[in-house]
Amino acid sequence: DAGVTQSPTHLIKTRGQQVTLRCSPKSGHDTVSWYQQALGQGPQFIFQYYEEEERQRGNFPDRFSGHQFPNYSSELNVNALLLGDSALYLCASSLSSLQFFGQGTRLTVV
Amino acid sequence: AQTVTQSQPEMSVQEAETVTLSCTYDTSENNYYLFWYKQPPSRQMILVIRQEAYKQQNATENRFSVNFQKAAKSFSLKISDSQLGDTAMYFCAFMKHDGNTPLVFGKGTRLSVIA
Repeated sequence: DAGVTQSPTHLIKTRGQQVTLRCSPKSGHDTVSWYQQALGQGPQFIFQYYEEEERQRGNFPDRFSGHQFPNYSSELNVNALLLGDSALYLCASSLSSLQFFGQGTRLTVV
Repeated sequence: AQTVTQSQPEMSVQEAETVTLSCTYDTSENNYYLFWYKQPPSRQMILVIRQEAYKQQNATENRFSVNFQKAAKSFSLKISDSQLGDTAMYFCAFMKHDGNTPLVFGKGTRLSVIA
């Protein structure tokens, strides 16, 4: 049983560009949450998707958007990238209170 | 809003010894979950242990155990017989009990196990 998989593992983008990160949840999990982890910090909640709808959202600007597909996989999109968006982006899937994380996507904005 | 505080940015322990990582939290909720996650250099966040607030008994998972003090809003992690593979960042996290709610993380403690 594959766990949570994220792609790509590393990404370098230029300020002002747009980026899409992808996440495949653990088999049987219907909920996907996205977190941003800046260097030296704990993860911060971006948003959560359930049944293809954004169910909850953290304190992130509208430049951050997402999508969930019928197979429960999810995308995180960030528009108009800023240098401060450089971070590790973690995806977690869950069926109840236990969230299982992928290995993350390291985004560097230059 | 919930907050989680880890007051020890870095700790070290000798191999085979015992170490305790501290965590305090603030919430007005009566029922919730608390977690410890481990993040090794591979970056993947791995669940170490979970505690349900309404359970008085402290959770244990092999060499890992917690000391949950609900009144004091304290949730420490004890690692016994420390191994080199325990070297990692450790994050304490809070979740409301209504299921599938976001995790609120502390800033983490970097643990180094020394041979």
